[in-house]
Amino acid sequence: EDQVTQSPEALRLQEGESSSLNCSYTVSGLRGLFWYRQDPGKGPEFLFTLYSAGEEKEKERLKATLTKKESFLHITAPKPEDSATYLCAVLSRQTSGSRLTFGEGTQLTVNP
Amino acid sequence: DAMVIQNPRYQVTQFGKPVTLSCSQTLNHNVMYWYQQKSSQAPKLLFHYYDKDFNNEADTPDNFQSRRPNTSFCFLDIRSPGLGDAAMYLCATSRDPPRPDTQYFGPGTRLTVL
Repeated sequence: EDQVTQSPEALRLQEGESSSLNCSYTVSGLRGLFWYRQDPGKGPEFLFTLYSAGEEKEKERLKATLTKKESFLHITAPKPEDSATYLCAVLSRQTSGSRLTFGEGTQLTVNP
Repeated sequence: DAMVIQNPRYQVTQFGKPVTLSCSQTLNHNVMYWYQQKSSQAPKLLFHYYDKDFNNEADTPDNFQSRRPNTSFCFLDIRSPGLGDAAMYLCATSRDPPRPDTQYFGPGTRLTVL
């Protein structure tokens, strides 16, 4: 069974204080790993897709990396508007169709 | 802009009164999904359509049904809502083939059951 574990559950940062969120996964053949941002009361907003170990993607202050066991979402010099819940999800060969397995998320708060 | 649209954004229903949530997309994606998300939890897949083929998750209650009349629209029907069905309902779409691709989510419908 596919498993996704995100840590920490919650993270408080000061504006400008860089940090990383972790997503550890156990899957039978990774087909893709996805990062989403979710604001309260809204649907998840797509950030990145990573397909293979060693792959990296960047967008503004965010950078996602992937190894064979985990993914990191690095946040450089965060701003208060980066406050949100960040969700990690995997798609594996074990699951049928296109079913994503989500982690529980990391709730990020950036204080001014 | 191409997008996933959900209506209504907020829905209030009474215990046992059927309700229908709708989703439309302008992305021309062939796969559409319905998720249920409760407070502080990860989204939980209820079912998805791969083109016209309906795929139900094993643990999705019979109370939940779905219809996809065409590529652009998909509906979630809750036949007899219970208090435990109060949640955010998320619609998502993706494209497959050449491979299972990124799922794009709509803004969600917040369902309240009185």
